[in-house]
Amino acid sequence: GAVVSQHPSRVICKSGTSVKIECRSLDFQATTMFWYRQFPKQSLMLMATSNEGSKATYEQGVEKDKFLINHASLTLSTLTVTSAHPEDSSFYICSATPLAGLAVLEQFFGPGTRLTVL
Amino acid sequence: AQKITQTQPGMFVQEKEAVTLDCTYDTSDPSYGLFWYKQPSSGEMIFLIYQGSYDQQNATEGRYSLNFQKARKSANLVISASQLGDSAMYFCAMRGLYFSGGYNKLIFGAGTRLAVHP
Repeated sequence: GAVVSQHPSRVICKSGTSVKIECRSLDFQATTMFWYRQFPKQSLMLMATSNEGSKATYEQGVEKDKFLINHASLTLSTLTVTSAHPEDSSFYICSATPLAGLAVLEQFFGPGTRLTVL
Repeated sequence: AQKITQTQPGMFVQEKEAVTLDCTYDTSDPSYGLFWYKQPSSGEMIFLIYQGSYDQQNATEGRYSLNFQKARKSANLVISASQLGDSAMYFCAMRGLYFSGGYNKLIFGAGTRLAVHP
């Protein structure tokens, strides 16, 4: 199946710093990538949808200036948490959908990044 | 608006027995897809099974089957012959399949935590 990677898998940072999380589709080109946030024992909440070469579409209540998303190529999207605070501590998961050629309609998920802000 | 409801926060099953995880949905989309994902403690999202709203037959994938009742708007997951490795969170999700000029987002339910006992 299609593989999506995320880096780093785990990050601990101090309050006020910025953290960048990378999401890569390893064996397919992704037209669209999604970023989710998951708090402990909760479901995945969609933060934003990004299409290669265009601005991301953010869900209601998600701060655009705090969660910067860049989808510079068909295989890479980045999420930057700017001026991170303890309440931003969460599990961030990306997913990607291919251009064409794969029959299954589901999104392919990355393994997630656990962010802890001290 | 789309909504997914999973009313069982937790379920227990004896090893080798079958278990049904409930999922109901609400949507005004004429065409949609229903998905089930498994999330073990590692956090990765594992795709299990997919059912299209237009599919006449219930989907099956190995020990997983989807009991799709369109009139009742339910898409329950049935796991046969439960194994200890099935212990995880299970999420039901839905996505519209109509063309909206972009990629329709995947909406998740709250999840059900399944524990398989020996």
